[in-house]
Amino acid sequence: NAGVTQTPKFRVLKTGQSMTLLCAQDMNHEYMYWYRQDPGMGLRLIHYSVGEGTTAKGEVPDGYNVSRLKKQNFLLGLESAAPSQTSVYFCASSYQGLSYEQYFGPGTRLTVT
Amino acid sequence: GENVEQHPSTLSVQEGDSAVIKCTYSDSASNYFPWYKQELGKRPQLIIDIRSNVGEKKDQRIAVTLNKTAKHFSLHITETQPEDSAVYFCAAVDSWGKLQFGAGTQVVVTP
Repeated sequence: NAGVTQTPKFRVLKTGQSMTLLCAQDMNHEYMYWYRQDPGMGLRLIHYSVGEGTTAKGEVPDGYNVSRLKKQNFLLGLESAAPSQTSVYFCASSYQGLSYEQYFGPGTRLTVT
Repeated sequence: GENVEQHPSTLSVQEGDSAVIKCTYSDSASNYFPWYKQELGKRPQLIIDIRSNVGEKKDQRIAVTLNKTAKHFSLHITETQPEDSAVYFCAAVDSWGKLQFGAGTQVVVTP
């Protein structure tokens, strides 16, 4: 099993450009999450999904959109990138809800210039 | 919402000594407290967790204690080894079902 995978691993964007980050899991997990990690601030939840076709806002959702068209995939979109979105983005999944172990992907390092 | 504070932000210990990281939380209804370890350039991985109906949990050299009255929980690592060097994050799930992470503790184990 590959577990949780993310593409791309690195990306540099100019301000105003758009992009989509892809997260895939092969563990048949219902729950999927997108976090951003900034120095000194831990992990902050952007959006999450409790099942195929559902999405919900987390702690820092502004400037991001998500979609969960298939159970195994969770997409994170940036419509108009800003320098404040420079961060490392982690996707995670869990079999049940937030009160259970989350399995993280390897991360995507995004730089917005 | 939940607010999780973690201390210290950095911790340097001699190999073989113990390390203790403390976290406090604000939501008295919080019921799940995981600890994640993140090595440099790697993904976070769960190392131990505790639920609100338990006061202490151990797994080999790692233990977590929970004091619900004081709303704090701690990670204890005994007989530290170089491979314990990493950033450790505590977290808490609040009554809204949201997982809030602490800011992290950089642990450095020196030989």
